[in-house]
Parts: sequence; C-alpha cells; structure tokens
Amino acid sequence: DAKTTQPNSMESNEEEPVHLPCNHSTISGTDYIHWYRQLPSQGPEYVIHGLTSNVNNRMASLAIAEDRKSSTLILHRATLRDAAVYYCILIRRDGGSQGNLIFGKGTKLSVKP
Amino acid sequence: KAGVTQTPRYLIKTRGQQVTLSCSPISGHRSVSWYQQTPGQGLQFLFEYFSETQRNKGNFPGRFSGRQFSNSRSEMNVSTLELGDSALYLCASSYSTGGGYGYTFGSGTRLTVV
Repeated sequence: DAKTTQPNSMESNEEEPVHLPCNHSTISGTDYIHWYRQLPSQGPEYVIHGLTSNVNNRMASLAIAEDRKSSTLILHRATLRDAAVYYCILIRRDGGSQGNLIFGKGTKLSVKP
Repeated sequence: KAGVTQTPRYLIKTRGQQVTLSCSPISGHRSVSWYQQTPGQGLQFLFEYFSETQRNKGNFPGRFSGRQFSNSRSEMNVSTLELGDSALYLCASSYSTGGGYGYTFGSGTRLTVV
C-alpha cells in the first residue's frame, strides 16, 4: 500500500493560513490524494481530494506537487473550529484492494485564539 | 440531503454476546465501508461493500462480518464479543468505490463490552 507521512502536530493562530504537509513518495499514477479531518468526539469528515491538479472547495485548497510525491492542505483562515486531526490518505482510482481508507496517525492541528 | 445514519449510537453488551450495527448510506451511494476506532490502534478498516458484494476486508477475525442489502444499507455483526471489541464503529459511504469520490462518515456507534 502506498503510504503517507505527516507531522504529528502543528500549531496555528486563529485567522492565519495553515499549510498541512503530506509526503507520499511511493504514490502510483492511479492514486487519488484524499484529506479528512476528525474533530473531537466525531466521525472523520471529508475535506478535499485530487489527482494531479490543485483543487479548491469551500473548506480548503489542495496543492499537489508536480511529481505528486507530496501535497499540502491549505486552510486559508484558521478558526477554532478547525482544531482537529487531519489525515492524508491515498486511494487507488479503481478501488479494489486499495479501495478502502488506510488511516495513519494524522496531524493534530491546534489553533490558538 | 440526509447524511450517513448509524444506529444505535450507544450500545452496552456482555462478553460472549453478539451485536449487530446498522448503517444507512447517503441516498445514491453504493459503497459502504466500516471502521473500528480505538485509542490504541486508531482508525482501522474492517470491510467495504459495493453493490451488495464485499470488495475488501481488513485484518480482523472472522467474528466480524457484514452484509449489504439491495437498498445499499449495511449491517455489521460481531459475534462472541470480547472486551477488546469495545470501540467506536464508524461507517462511511461513497457514490462509488475507489478514489474518485469522497467518503462521508456517520457519527458512529459506541460499543462497550463489559
């Protein structure tokens, strides 16, 4: 399985941008890059996903390196509600044995007021 | 639209009993997967169903089983419960299998085995 590496924790100040990095040097050409977050006492929440091009949605932006060996989740203005564990996950295009979400330890983001 | 619904939210069972958990996916979603979350092991994949067929299974004993119905609703069953089965069980649904679509999670069922 293609694996991802994320920092264990990061801190941010409220209303400042946050860049959460993820390394996936063994990514294959058919792997999508997904990001989820889990707030305390809740199930994981989908944030964003992409394949090759940068992606934007109302929650965040996903910047994917040209060689696809790393990506960065960008929260444009962190709020206290963004404090959560963020998971970067690779999922193969056609599912199959790679179709499930393999969660690592993720990055615990703390947001200071 | 309605999200992923898991029932019950909380459950207390005795060792040796069996339990069935239910998951109703978002309307139109055909993929349903199950996860176990514990403080020690984190989030671990149990199995995935797509169009009533099990596509993937994680590394769990045979006491853990599941099924999916024609309306995409899914159930998971754990037989002969052990204390170590105490966990938050999460269900996620997606339009299709694979990475092209995001997964939506339910709030989970908190199972306590005593």
